[in-house]
Amino acid sequence: DGGITQSPKYLFRKEGQNVTLSCEQNLNHDAMYWYRQDPGQGLRLIYYSQIVNDFQKGDIAEGYSVSREKKESFPLTVTSAQKNPTAFYLCASIIGGSNQPQHFGDGTRLSIL
Amino acid sequence: KQEVTQIPAALSVPEGENLVLNCSFTDSAIYNLQWFRQDPGKGLTSLLLIQSSQREQTSGRLNASLDKSSGRSTLYIAASQPGDSATYLCAVSLVGFQKLVFGTGTRLLVSP
Repeated sequence: DGGITQSPKYLFRKEGQNVTLSCEQNLNHDAMYWYRQDPGQGLRLIYYSQIVNDFQKGDIAEGYSVSREKKESFPLTVTSAQKNPTAFYLCASIIGGSNQPQHFGDGTRLSIL
Repeated sequence: KQEVTQIPAALSVPEGENLVLNCSFTDSAIYNLQWFRQDPGKGLTSLLLIQSSQREQTSGRLNASLDKSSGRSTLYIAASQPGDSATYLCAVSLVGFQKLVFGTGTRLLVSP
């Protein structure tokens, strides 16, 4: 079945450590997105990529980095510069230029040790 | 800057009731409006998408309306069931992009 796979489901970060969250899709979608969700909050956009080798900052990009070397993969690195990384991270994708809904993965919950 | 508000933040109803969830947005220049469902600890599942030129969309017991001029959308759930218990999020897609701006959601509990 086609879909978006996020891994790991749970992740723990130590002080000063960078961690990378994986997002893989087999939907042949062009655009991919990373969102952050805090308790009781809506989703906030971190980064998005509309084509391979190109990406743009969202509303809360500070302390995060991404790459888009392959169409199906859009990993997110939470760097040590992100002082409050504890949150639920969601990856999404959509066919480029379409009026279709975004598809979401099941998320990664990141906590501080 | 586009802002999306959802009222109420939480709603508890007995099984079988019809209910309405509200969503408002500040800038009418939207590409589409989407309603999603989120179960605890899970990702989002798309329920309905209304294009900016449309007034409503229906899927089973769900009906979503859009009034762009007033910046409002409603999600109507008919004959609610305990399985409808979840958080419902609305989001608007900005013109020229495929970025979504989300509301904070309405947490729905349907009691048997």
